[in-house]
Amino acid sequence: DIQMTQSPSTLSASVGDRVTITCRASQSISDWLAWYQQKPGKAPKFLIYKASTLQGGVPSRFSGSGSGTEFTLTISSLQPDDFATYYCQQYKSYPLTFGGGTKVEIK
Amino acid sequence: EVQVLESGGGLVQPGGSLRLSCAASGFMFNTNSMTWVRQAPGKGLEWVAIINYNGRSIYYADSVKGRFTISRDNSQSTVYLQMNSLRVEDTAVYYCAKEAIGTTAFDYWGQGALVTVSS
Repeated sequence: DIQMTQSPSTLSASVGDRVTITCRASQSISDWLAWYQQKPGKAPKFLIYKASTLQGGVPSRFSGSGSGTEFTLTISSLQPDDFATYYCQQYKSYPLTFGGGTKVEIK
Repeated sequence: EVQVLESGGGLVQPGGSLRLSCAASGFMFNTNSMTWVRQAPGKGLEWVAIINYNGRSIYYADSVKGRFTISRDNSQSTVYLQMNSLRVEDTAVYYCAKEAIGTTAFDYWGQGALVTVSS
């Protein structure tokens, strides 16, 4: 199974900050990676697929990069609506696996 | 508008069974894979199972293999998750989600169904 490791697990930031979340795969997954945002009590929201392709309707302050085993999700200027938990997911092979999540909280 | 709506959650004793349903609308259901993902209280996301558009290709997480069965009825635009031999550790919110075209990532999710396994 491919293990996905996110860091940090918690991140404290202020509105306007540039934020970067890292996701590492235990083996190469090429660019078969997605990112999701989840707010408390809500379903995950699909943000990015194929490591760097923004889903329609997602603000351009979100961006993804990476390939192989190391990936990043960047929020260029953190907005109040962005405080949430973020998950990466690999879809290179079954079983599909998610990272443990990164909670972005208000500093 | 794409909609995904789970139902069938509830309280069940260890060893018991429960069937979740997921009714979908707003897209061509019979051309999309569908999946179940769960989230234990206070924990992260865990993928459970996936079924392809015609039901002929199915995969499970090891944690549920042999106990859970995913199926679909394209005439009803509904996917099911039959859960047998339930364990306390199966307690979670179960989400149904639609596969995004060309990926095995998931673009539309339901609101979730809470399954509590407890005596």
